[in-house]
Amino acid sequence: QKEVEQNSGPLSVPEGAIASLNCTYSDRVSQSFFWYRQYSGKSPELIMSIYSNGDKEDGRFTAQLNKASQYVSLLIRDSQPSDSATYLCAVNGPAAGNKLTFGGGTRVLVKP
Amino acid sequence: GAVVSQHPSWVICKSGTSVKIECRSLDFQATTMFWYRQFPKQSLMLMATSNEGSKATYEQGVEKDKFLINHASLTLSTLTVTSAHPEDSSFYICSASLRVNEQFFGPGTRLTVL
Repeated sequence: QKEVEQNSGPLSVPEGAIASLNCTYSDRVSQSFFWYRQYSGKSPELIMSIYSNGDKEDGRFTAQLNKASQYVSLLIRDSQPSDSATYLCAVNGPAAGNKLTFGGGTRVLVKP
Repeated sequence: GAVVSQHPSWVICKSGTSVKIECRSLDFQATTMFWYRQFPKQSLMLMATSNEGSKATYEQGVEKDKFLINHASLTLSTLTVTSAHPEDSSFYICSASLRVNEQFFGPGTRLTVL
């Protein structure tokens, strides 16, 4: 079992719709959770971090964390073609220091 | 703030040669730097963790004698791929950390070994 799992996609959404991405993790003591966006040929850029259960909103992005179920999700509202990218979920645990474990990424395609 | 640069952005080399990649934190002093490798259509795989003035900690399966990491200062870490072969062709990305739970990624270096 992979430590951090994501559906590889592609997740195809029409412009203006909500894109919903999910991520599950295996280490129950994980404490910090991150969503990165990566455009083709570029390095990842951080879009959201979340540390406690519940929702965290930042602009069109909402991260949701449920530690009991060991999943973290990302919602992208009013999806735009510029949101087309691969979204990487990353997890950090207390034993890992600063190390991040990345999921395989979900490719999102927003169609005009 | 929190800008990380890498040099070069791309490099093509012949098999058997060595290639050095630099990672710099431009506006902050990084306590830790990380080196990742990403093959096409795959996620980032951590290669090693580097702290200034000490030996790098390599992940399982990463050859430390092939991937030499030097972290000479709080703003510079280098990765040298020694005796590169075509299977080493990949996208190499560094990140720099100032505090726990913060990693700022460089733009990456695309290595092609002929």
